[in-house]
Amino acid sequence: ETGVTQTPRHLVMGMTNKKSLKCEQHLGHNAMYWYKQSAKKPLELMFVYNFKEQTENNSVPSRFSPECPNSSHLFLHLHTLQPEDSALYLCASSQVARGDNEKLFFGSGTQLSVL
Amino acid sequence: GQNIDQPTEMTATEGAIVQINCTYQTSGFNGLFWYQQHAGEAPTFLSYNVLDGLEEKGRFSSFLSRSKGYSYLLLKELQMKDSASYLCAVISYGQNFVFGPGTRLSVLP
Repeated sequence: ETGVTQTPRHLVMGMTNKKSLKCEQHLGHNAMYWYKQSAKKPLELMFVYNFKEQTENNSVPSRFSPECPNSSHLFLHLHTLQPEDSALYLCASSQVARGDNEKLFFGSGTQLSVL
Repeated sequence: GQNIDQPTEMTATEGAIVQINCTYQTSGFNGLFWYQQHAGEAPTFLSYNVLDGLEEKGRFSSFLSRSKGYSYLLLKELQMKDSASYLCAVISYGQNFVFGPGTRLSVLP
């Protein structure tokens, strides 16, 4: 148990569906992240939130829409996805102090399949 | 930009020692992390190096040479449960983590 919980663990959706991924951290951290993990590719950073403010958006298509209502919860809203978006989506949190990042704590991820 | 390289796959025998290398190029280096990820599970933190030298933690050790842009993770007395992917990640000042492609280690009986 890493202190970061993601739901659902698995998701299958059609290209016209709308779904949301949820992440909750119980570690009191001030930063949360969405990563995409595709087969045989490095973890790709998608979005970063520091103190609920989005500080990074790595050229992610608009069909992915993040939401951070408070420092413990993070959502990723999905709509009109493409088959190439099928991947493992990982949420992470960390404590950022004096501009420097401490280690990341990851959730178990949501395995997404887009048909 | 930043670039991190690791071998894609490695195989070793139970009870043996294996070394997983990681090379990186970055500016403003502020630390290197190793994570372990079993299939279908969360990556979990193994080690952190910011100064040159060897950090030992039980069966796992991690080494860093900043001048060479090089690190390795050393796993001793391999067990079947060590079969996993091992991710090298670098962080630079004011930047977010950048991950390598990961090394999938298979431990054979």
